[in-house]
Amino acid sequence: AIQMTQSPSSLSASVGDRVTITCRASQGIRNDLGWYQQKPGKAPKLLIYAASSLQSGVPSRFSGSGSGTDFTLTISSLQPEDFATYYCLQDYNYPITFGQGTRLEIK
Amino acid sequence: EVQLVESGGGLVQPGGSLRLSCAASGFTFSSYNMNWVRQAPGKGLEWVSYISSSSTTIYYADSVKGRFTISRDNAKNSLYLQMNSLRDEDTAVFYCARVKWHAFDVWGQGTMVTVSS
Repeated sequence: AIQMTQSPSSLSASVGDRVTITCRASQGIRNDLGWYQQKPGKAPKLLIYAASSLQSGVPSRFSGSGSGTDFTLTISSLQPEDFATYYCLQDYNYPITFGQGTRLEIK
Repeated sequence: EVQLVESGGGLVQPGGSLRLSCAASGFTFSSYNMNWVRQAPGKGLEWVSYISSSSTTIYYADSVKGRFTISRDNAKNSLYLQMNSLRDEDTAVFYCARVKWHAFDVWGQGTMVTVSS
């Protein structure tokens, strides 16, 4: 199975900060990667698909980049509603695997 | 409105069985591949199973292979997960999710499964 190593596992930041989360795949996955946001008690929400495509309705402060094994999610200017846990997911092949998650907290 | 609604969760003893359902509405269910994903309390997301739109392709995580069975009824706009030989470590919120453009674009609200004696 492809291992997805996500970092950092937690992050403290302030409103207005620029934040970057990374995911590294144990083998090349082309651009078959998505980023998801999850708030406590809620289902995950798709933010980015195909590594860099913004899901409809998601604010443009979210962006994704990368291909092959290294990927990043960037939030250009943190807003109060962005404090949540973020996951990457690869669906290049089965079994589908998630990163361990990054908990983004208010500083 | 595009919507997925899970049901069927509950408390079950180790070794028991449970059948989860996921009701789809607001889109042409038969055109989409579907997945089940679970999340143990306080833990991360774990993919469980995949089924293609016409049920011709099915995959399982190793952790559930041989115990869980995914199925769908396109006439009823429903996805199912039959879970047998349940273990303590299967305790989790189970989500169904729609696949679009190689991503899980629509998720249900989740249903809690608790395996405990």
